[in-house]
Amino acid sequence: SYVLTQPPSLSVAPGQTASIPCGENNVGDKSVHWYQQKSGQAPVLVIFYNDDRPSGIPERFSGSKSGNTATLTINRVEAGDEADYYCQVWESSSDQWVFGGGTKLTVL
Amino acid sequence: EVQLVESGGGLVQPGGSLRLSCAASGFTFRSFWMHWVRQVPGKGLEWVSRINNDGSTTSYADSVNGRFTISRDNTKNRLSLQMSSLRAEDSALYFCVRDLNTYFDYWGQGSLVTVSS
Repeated sequence: SYVLTQPPSLSVAPGQTASIPCGENNVGDKSVHWYQQKSGQAPVLVIFYNDDRPSGIPERFSGSKSGNTATLTINRVEAGDEADYYCQVWESSSDQWVFGGGTKLTVL
Repeated sequence: EVQLVESGGGLVQPGGSLRLSCAASGFTFRSFWMHWVRQVPGKGLEWVSRINNDGSTTSYADSVNGRFTISRDNTKNRLSLQMSSLRAEDSALYFCVRDLNTYFDYWGQGSLVTVSS
């Protein structure tokens, strides 16, 4: 089955940049979407189609893809960005949706 | 305002059955694909199932295929998930989710299912 790999955790100081990778298994062929989930809340879409940002999501959030790795970048990290972040793709050959394992972002 | 409200969760014994429902409002329900996504508390997200806008096609995660059935009633704006042969590993918070062309733009708050004797 299709696998998306994310680092389990990442720690960043306020004001710095957080880069969360998501990759493997030919992600280059697929559109990657990203979700933020704060403690006790439902996930929220922050990036869709690799690099598009929904209305209401701060410009500090951006997405990119290079080769087999997609990356969520959060510039000028704030305490309120502390959350779990998940990447997601649609695996067309099996008609299944796949999430990465999630990355817990800690703001120091 | 888009709202997705899940119900039907609870405690069920292994091997038992349970039916989750999701009441949708604030949008034209019959125009959207819908999904169920689950999450064991403290763990990651797992996609469970999807149904297309008119209910004619469905797909399932390998872990639930043959045990779970997704359905919808577009006259009542309601999504359902019939779960049978439940196992301890099916214990999770189940989210009702709207699909906007392969990604999820709205999520409910979830309904908790606990499978235990």
